[in-house]
Amino acid sequence: SQQGEEDPQALSIQEGENATMNCSYKTSINNLQWYRQNSGRGLVHLILIRSNEREKHSGRLRVTLDTSKKSSSLLITASRAADTASYFCATAYGGYQKVTFGTGTKLQVIP
Amino acid sequence: EAGVAQSPRYKIIEKRQSVAFWCNPISGHATLYWYQQILGQGPKLLIQFQNNGVVDDSQLPKDRFSAERLKGVDSTLKIQPAKLEDSAVYLCASSLGGNSNQPQHFGDGTRLSIL
Repeated sequence: SQQGEEDPQALSIQEGENATMNCSYKTSINNLQWYRQNSGRGLVHLILIRSNEREKHSGRLRVTLDTSKKSSSLLITASRAADTASYFCATAYGGYQKVTFGTGTKLQVIP
Repeated sequence: EAGVAQSPRYKIIEKRQSVAFWCNPISGHATLYWYQQILGQGPKLLIQFQNNGVVDDSQLPKDRFSAERLKGVDSTLKIQPAKLEDSAVYLCASSLGGNSNQPQHFGDGTRLSIL
């Protein structure tokens, strides 16, 4: 079974607005990663946050991690049509970095 | 740097036939992963290699799926015989390995359709 669950399953916003996606997981983790997947393509790594970090930024992306609530959020600011994609959280745990992906959020940014 | 290469991009076979997928990871990456992604779902790990050794194959249906990583570089995933439920995208990924805080780099996958 998949450990992470994203919320919402689908999100539609206007260009320029902010998009927030949430991820919940069940067990202790080493790190949490966010990936983007465009239709028909492989996943692209966006950002990795370690279990001892609470917030991380990369360009228009902001990720938070709350290990007490076992949850993370991904904020995309000033969205663009090119941000239209599915977004997945992935949790890494164990000595060999076993990675489990969530169910994904499908984001549509309307120009 | 060159990315993860996968072939073929598409494959259509009939049930009970055999199929094989090939993956060439990024040079120097010790860890290689095979995932199955069913439409509308997240990737599910099938097998993880560290160099040429298997570290996790707990979700690999071993009665029909097999995988090998030759000399710790290229890898092949085989399905024999295929079932209708195997229709999915098969993704290969690699990472530097060792340190647990390394991102994975994905190929574009092989889309398998079973008739």
